Amino acid sequence: DSGVTQTPKHLITATGQRVTLRCSPRSGDLSVYWYQQSLDQGLQFLIQYYNGEERAKGNILERFSAQQFPDLHSELNLSSLELGDSALYFCASSSGTGGSPLHFGNGTRLTVT
Amino acid sequence: AQSVAQPEDQVNVAEGNPLTVKCTYSVSGNPYLFWYVQYPNRGLQFLLKYITGDNLVKGSYGFEAEFNKSQTSFHLKKPSALVSDSALYFCAVISSGGYNKLIFGAGTRLAVHP
Repeated sequence: DSGVTQTPKHLITATGQRVTLRCSPRSGDLSVYWYQQSLDQGLQFLIQYYNGEERAKGNILERFSAQQFPDLHSELNLSSLELGDSALYFCASSSGTGGSPLHFGNGTRLTVT
Repeated sequence: AQSVAQPEDQVNVAEGNPLTVKCTYSVSGNPYLFWYVQYPNRGLQFLLKYITGDNLVKGSYGFEAEFNKSQTSFHLKKPSALVSDSALYFCAVISSGGYNKLIFGAGTRLAVHP
């Protein structure tokens, strides 16, 4: 068990809808990362937060947004969903110090129909 | 821009034989290198990392990796493969100024046959 909790495990929704994915990091970790895993794109870095502030941005669409709250949990909001957004979304956390490993949750599987 | 290449989509090995999963990287500055394993319907699990020091790094489940700066490689190895090692393996890199953001390779599927 990595200590990172993601909810829900599965999400099925229709095109055009909006969903929110939630992540609770490991106790003591200040940094949260979001990744998207799809069959054709592999693991793509979306965004990183450190202690509530955005630290780095990757291939995140404008339709997607995220935030990290004062209690350090994070939410990833996906809106105007398209079929191509169907993927596994992973949250990871780390202490944020240089070279510290990321610890991953089990992911949320999003299916857009 | 930093990147990681895993040249093999799949590696097949017989149980008991040594295994190698290849990884090469491209970064500016000193690399921080990682290996992760993913089992079906699970998140990625950290196996080992290289930050500095000895080029041979030992990790979880009997895995080790060899850092080679001149060849910009970080191959994952295990002396004797188990069927239970069958999984998807990812190499990843952080550049030393990269806020710990991991960039992953495409992954290599390891199949260990009895």
